This record gives sequence, structure tokens and C-alpha cells, in this order.
Amino acid sequence: EPEVTQTPSHQVTQMGQEVILRCVPISNHLYFYWYRQILGQKVEFLVSFYNNEISEKSEIFDDQFSVERPDGSNFTLKIRSTKLEDSAMYFCATKGTSADTQYFGPGTRLTVL
Amino acid sequence: QKEVEQDPGPLSVPEGAIVSLNCTYSNSAFQYFMWYRQYSRKGPELLMYTYSSGNKEDGRFTAQVDKSSKYISLFIRDSQPSDSATYLCAMTLLNSGGYQKVTFGTGTKLQVIP
Repeated sequence: EPEVTQTPSHQVTQMGQEVILRCVPISNHLYFYWYRQILGQKVEFLVSFYNNEISEKSEIFDDQFSVERPDGSNFTLKIRSTKLEDSAMYFCATKGTSADTQYFGPGTRLTVL
Repeated sequence: QKEVEQDPGPLSVPEGAIVSLNCTYSNSAFQYFMWYRQYSRKGPELLMYTYSSGNKEDGRFTAQVDKSSKYISLFIRDSQPSDSATYLCAMTLLNSGGYQKVTFGTGTKLQVIP
């Protein structure tokens, strides 16, 4: 069964450093999303991306965040200057045009020291 | 009022019991209702989704939606220790662009005791 994959599984970084989280969507899916889950809290929407542009973003998704699909396959989330409070699990999700639901990847655990 | 409310539990039941998990929501625009299962430090795994009010059954799982009461439920029959996980209710509306933002509940932690 096709699945969403994410790399790395765990990223440790120093505060102020840039990180890039990568996602490989399910083939032929065209809608892409990033969510995050701070430890012990609920899963929160960050951004949706379709047709090479952001469709919607939450208030969490400030100027420090960006997304792109650089090579037509990978979908990336960049955090320019990480803060301690960015420590969380980051989940990529994708959806096909005919599907009604999103399928989530296993997540990247980001630890900012 | 939170958009989606879910009792965080934990809920502990003996193996073989029927489990009932519930969520309420405030946004009447929600159209799709999902249940995800999440194991510790893993991604949410889609269990079931429904579009309309009523029941939907899949094996030991039954999802129930009551749009008039803004209430959704997930029933697990003959619960197994492997069902021990956090169960997330989630809902969304499909806008004209075809994309959707999923709003999650906080999750209910379930433990099935052998």
C-alpha cells in the first residue's frame, strides 16, 4: 500500500539554525500539508500547498516557515531560524484529487536545543 | 468554545470490552469526519471516515455521526491489547479549492488490558 515517507525521522539542531524537513508524497497526490504536534498536545495544522502555492496557512506558520516542492516529488518544510518552541513532531500529509481524506507520514521529531 | 472537544482519558478497559470514544464539535460547516489512531511517537493512521450522518462499519470498528447534535463516536468491539493507542477524532470541510484543513481533537488514550 502506498505511503507517505518523511526524512529525517529525528533532527536535533541548535537554536537559530535552519532546518529542512522532507516528505515524499504518495504518487499522484497533489495536495500537501504540514502539521505539527508538540509533545502532549494535539495535532495542529500549519499549511496546505497545492499547484505550487500555499492554499492556506495557520497563524503558527509565520515568516520563519516556508514550503516548497523543489523537484516535483519531494515536499519540504523549512524553518529559517529555529526556536526552542519549534520542538515538536512534524507530520506531512497528502491527499489525492479524488480522495476525501489525508494520509499522514510517520513524522519528523525536531528537537531544538 | 473549542472547535473540537475530546476527552483525553486515559481510558482503560479489559480485553474483549466494547469501547466508546466520542467527540463534540462546534463548527456546523464540517463535512467530513475521521478517526485516526496514533501510536506513541508515530504519525496518525486513518481508521475510518464518514461524510454524512449515520453509521459506518468496518470490521470491529463502527463510526457514528450525528450532525444535528454535532457529535461523533467510534465504537470498537471485542477490543484487543493491540488496540491500545491514542484515538484522534478529526474533521474538515472541503472548500472550493479542493483542499482541506483537518482540525483534530486532543485524542483519547486507550489501554486494553489483557
